[in-house]
Amino acid sequence: VQLVESGGGLIQPGGSLRLSCAASGFTVSNNYGNWVRQAPGKGLDWVSIIYSDGTTYYADSVKGRFTISRDNSKNTLYLQMNNLRAEDTAVYYCARGGGSLGYWGQGTLVTVSS
Amino acid sequence: QSVLTQPPSVSAAPGQKVTISCSGSSSNIGNNYVSWYQQLPGTAPKLLIYDNNERPSGIPGRFSGSKSGTSATLGITGLQTGDEADYYCGTWDSSLSAGVFGGGTKLTVL
Repeated sequence: VQLVESGGGLIQPGGSLRLSCAASGFTVSNNYGNWVRQAPGKGLDWVSIIYSDGTTYYADSVKGRFTISRDNSKNTLYLQMNNLRAEDTAVYYCARGGGSLGYWGQGTLVTVSS
Repeated sequence: QSVLTQPPSVSAAPGQKVTISCSGSSSNIGNNYVSWYQQLPGTAPKLLIYDNNERPSGIPGRFSGSKSGTSATLGITGLQTGDEADYYCGTWDSSLSAGVFGGGTKLTVL
C-alpha cells in the first residue's frame, strides 16, 4: 500500500489549489479516504473524508471551500481547495481508513501567503 | 482548542513505563473507537493502536491502549530513546460528523 500526494505549493490568499493522492496496492473506491493537515509546529487537524459509497464530510473550518473527490479510473483521491486563507497553510496528508487511519502519504506542503 | 484533550508533554527514563491520556466526551470517545498515532520528527503519522486496544501488524507489544467511558489511555513500557515522538489520539465525533484529534503529547525519554 502506498499513497503519494502532490499539488502543494505557494498560493496567494483567495486562490485555489487541487491536491492529488495517488494510491497503489489497493482500490480507492472500495476504501475510505481522508485528508488530514498539520500547520507548521502544530498538531494534526482532520479535514475531510470520503466513504466508499461517496458520502463526504468536512471539518467546519473548510466546509464550503474544500471538496474531496476521487477518480476511480486513476485510483486517485483529490482535495480541491478554494478561497484559501493564511490559516490553511499546512502539510496536507492523505490517509486510508474509516475509524482508524492505517496508511498515510508523505504529505505535501501548502503555503498561503502574499 | 482540540476536541480531545491530551497532556502537552510526558517524560520518563529508558526502560520505564509511561501513560498518555486522552479525554473527550460522549459524542466522540464515549461512543466511538479510539486510535493512537506516533509521529517521529519530520515524518508522517503512523498508526499504533486502533479500535481502542488493537495493535496493527508490526507494532510491538510494548504499546497498549485502553478506553473507559469518555477517556482513553496509551501505555508504553520498556521505553527506548527511539520512542521519542509526538503521540496523538483520534476518533470520530458523532455530533460534529467529523474526525477529531487530540492536541498531541510530546514524549521525552530522558
